[in-house]
Amino acid sequence: GESVGLHLPTLSVQEGDNSIINCAYSNSASDYFIWYKQESGKGPQFIIDIRSNMDKRQGQRVTVLLNKTVKHLSLQIAATQPGDSAVYFCAENRNTGGFKTIFGAGTRLFVKA
Amino acid sequence: EAGVAQSPRYKIIEKRQSVAFWCNPISGHATLYWYQQILGQGPKLLIQFQNNGVVDDSQLPKDRFSAERLKGVDSTLKIQPAKLEDSAVYLCASSLGGPGFYEQYFGPGTRLTVT
Repeated sequence: GESVGLHLPTLSVQEGDNSIINCAYSNSASDYFIWYKQESGKGPQFIIDIRSNMDKRQGQRVTVLLNKTVKHLSLQIAATQPGDSAVYFCAENRNTGGFKTIFGAGTRLFVKA
Repeated sequence: EAGVAQSPRYKIIEKRQSVAFWCNPISGHATLYWYQQILGQGPKLLIQFQNNGVVDDSQLPKDRFSAERLKGVDSTLKIQPAKLEDSAVYLCASSLGGPGFYEQYFGPGTRLTVT
């Protein structure tokens, strides 16, 4: 299916360490990718995006890397803080006759104080 | 700037009953989306409006789900009759333009439990 994942992968990191969350996308025609953060009881919140003509994009404490050869996306969070604890989703925008956003399964990040 | 508003926040119904959700997008946003998020999964797009026209409803179970966007602003999503597998969080999002180019802003969602 387009959004699968019966069991969320989990990443546990120590406060202050760097976090790396990985995502594989399925469609080589996708040309716009977004990372979202979702806290409990809230809707997803935009973190950072990247277009397919780029390999890397940096924001505040976050970096997204795109490897189109292997269809892989990663989100790096520097100096992870307790407030970063959430579920992180990668999403790809696919042109299906009009752009459509397809979400990945998500990764739950736990930050240990 | 006010965010995307949704109501109700929670709803519990019995199977075969009907339910409606309401969404008020951010002012000026032309594109409105309804997503279904089942526990442990990423959101799945149900329907996408551009102003008051439907852009994509390929994953909307049209035998039981319907949605409309009145005057290109507010939107309602209805389920009739509900099934147990409809238990999920229903998220509304809006963006200035189409998803290929504009950030989507999500509301808090409506958690539906069908018993």
